[in-house]
Amino acid sequence: ETGVTQTPRHLVMGMTNKKSLKCEQHLGHNAMYWYKQSAKKPLELMFVYSLEERVENNSVPSRFSPECPNSSHLFLHLHTLQPEDSALYLCASSQDGQDSGNTIYFGEGSWLTVV
Amino acid sequence: GQNIDQPTEMTATEGAIVQINCTYQTSGFNGLFWYQQHAGEAPTFLSYNVLDGLEEKGRFSSFLSRSKGYSYLLLKELQMKDSASYLCAVRDSNYQLIWGAGTKLIIKP
Repeated sequence: ETGVTQTPRHLVMGMTNKKSLKCEQHLGHNAMYWYKQSAKKPLELMFVYSLEERVENNSVPSRFSPECPNSSHLFLHLHTLQPEDSALYLCASSQDGQDSGNTIYFGEGSWLTVV
Repeated sequence: GQNIDQPTEMTATEGAIVQINCTYQTSGFNGLFWYQQHAGEAPTFLSYNVLDGLEEKGRFSSFLSRSKGYSYLLLKELQMKDSASYLCAVRDSNYQLIWGAGTKLIIKP
């Protein structure tokens, strides 16, 4: 139990579907992240929210749409995905600030398969 | 560009010692992290180094040399449960985390 909870753990969706991934953190952190993890590749940072404002969008396709209603919750809305989007999507949180030792804590991830 | 290199896969024997290396080229340096990730689970924090030298934490130790852009994670008295992927990450001058692709460690009896 890392204090970061993701649902669903597994999701299979068609290319025309709309679905959402949900993340909740119970650590009192003020920053939340979405990462994409593909086999044998480094973690790819998709979105960062600090104090509920998006601070980074690393050229992620618009078929991925994040939402951060408050500092404890983060969503990733998915629509018209492609098979190459199949991956493990990890949510994470941290206490933001100019402290290089701030550790980020991950959820267990949502396995997404696009068919 | 920024780059983190670590071996893709390593194999070791239960009870032995293994060293997982990580080299980095980043724009600035504000600390290096090691995470452990068991298959199908969340990456979990293992260690943090910001100054040169060795940090020991039980069976796990992490070493940093900033001048060489090099770190290693040392695992002693290996147990079967240590079979996992080990991720190296560096925080750059913008305080962004740059990740390696991970090293899959296989422990054999």
